[in-house]
Amino acid sequence: EDKVVQSPLSLVVHEGDTVTLNCSYEVTNFRSLLWYKQEKKAPTFLFMLTSSGIEKKSGRLSSILDKKELFSILNITATQTGDSAVYLCAVRFTSGTYKYIFGTGTRLKVLA
Amino acid sequence: EAGVAQSPRYKIIEKRQSVAFWCNPISGHATLYWYQQILGQGPKLLIQFQNNGVVDDSQLPKDRFSAERLKGVDSTLKIQPAKLEDSAVYLCASSFLGDEAFFGQGTRLTVV
Repeated sequence: EDKVVQSPLSLVVHEGDTVTLNCSYEVTNFRSLLWYKQEKKAPTFLFMLTSSGIEKKSGRLSSILDKKELFSILNITATQTGDSAVYLCAVRFTSGTYKYIFGTGTRLKVLA
Repeated sequence: EAGVAQSPRYKIIEKRQSVAFWCNPISGHATLYWYQQILGQGPKLLIQFQNNGVVDDSQLPKDRFSAERLKGVDSTLKIQPAKLEDSAVYLCASSFLGDEAFFGQGTRLTVV
């Protein structure tokens, strides 16, 4: 059965800390891995990763994929209270269906 | 570029009643997804359309849920009759072929 597992399930840090969120997957026909940030209801897109070892970076956020070990990490440096959200990992399949399956998410709370 | 539009934003119904949700995807996006997100869980794919055809509805409870996408644009998701366990946020998303999916604001359904 295809699955995406995220850890930790929740995390509380203080402003300025660095956090690492993990996503591991077991899927057939892997195409790409995506990270989303969900603050209220609508997840917003952060990164899409298709190749191993190539870091994607946007401001204080960065992510990398390891297709051999089947995992990805999302790093957030110098965290701010505005980073408080649920971070979702999703995997897309190679088949023509463009199907995504999501993990359960990591709930991050950043304290001032 | 206009985003994915969903309505209503909130809905409270009694069990055994029916409810319908509407979604207008981003213009030009052939792929449309409906996800159910129960509190504390990741989004679960209910149904996926490619243009006006169903690509995946394997997790749609077909005895009570139905969805359509007439003319390959707008989509409607219906629940009849609703159960308490249907309380969740219903997210609509769209994508252009295999690119990242963009999500609407979602509908929070409470069944009492």
